[in-house]
Amino acid sequence: EPEVTQTPSHQVTQMGQEVILRCVPISNHLYFYWYRQILGQKVEFLVSFYNNEISEKSEIFDDQFSVERPDGSNFTLKIRSTKLEDSAMYFCASSITRDEQYFGPGTRLTVT
Amino acid sequence: GQQVMQIPQYQHVQEGEDFTTYCNSSTTLSNIQWYKQRPGGHPVFLIQLVKSGEVKKQKRLTFQFGEAKKNSSLHITATQTTDVGTYFCALSGGSNYKLTFGKGTLLTVNP
Repeated sequence: EPEVTQTPSHQVTQMGQEVILRCVPISNHLYFYWYRQILGQKVEFLVSFYNNEISEKSEIFDDQFSVERPDGSNFTLKIRSTKLEDSAMYFCASSITRDEQYFGPGTRLTVT
Repeated sequence: GQQVMQIPQYQHVQEGEDFTTYCNSSTTLSNIQWYKQRPGGHPVFLIQLVKSGEVKKQKRLTFQFGEAKKNSSLHITATQTTDVGTYFCALSGGSNYKLTFGKGTLLTVNP
């Protein structure tokens, strides 16, 4: 069964550094998303991406965040200058319809 | 934007007991989805409800959507240790169906 994959599984970085989180959505899916989950809390929407452009972003998704789909398979989330409060699990998800989203296993980001 | 309140936050049961989690909104919902997240895992889609009064079953899981489409519930009959995890309700909306999650109910099961 097709799966969303994410790399790395765990990223440790120092405050102020840039990180790139990578995702490979399911190949025939059209809608792509990034969510984050701070430990013990609910899953929060960051950004949605369709037809090679951002379709919606949350208040969390400020100027330090960006997304790209550099080729036909990868979907990346870049955090330009990480802060301590960016420490969280970041999930990529993809969907082909509005009925369900498929989540990747996540990247645990630790900012020290 | 629309928000959902989910209760209870935690539920601990003995294996074999039933479990229910509730999701409530002050506004009418167009749809509601349910996801399960195992400890250390990622959200996994369980079901989507769209119609007023809808009831759907998946083995021991029963999902309901209220008549007014302002609330939903997930009921598990005779829990098993494999049911352990956090159950989230989520609204699908926005221009590309972003999900707005509830805070989730963490279910633990004592064998």
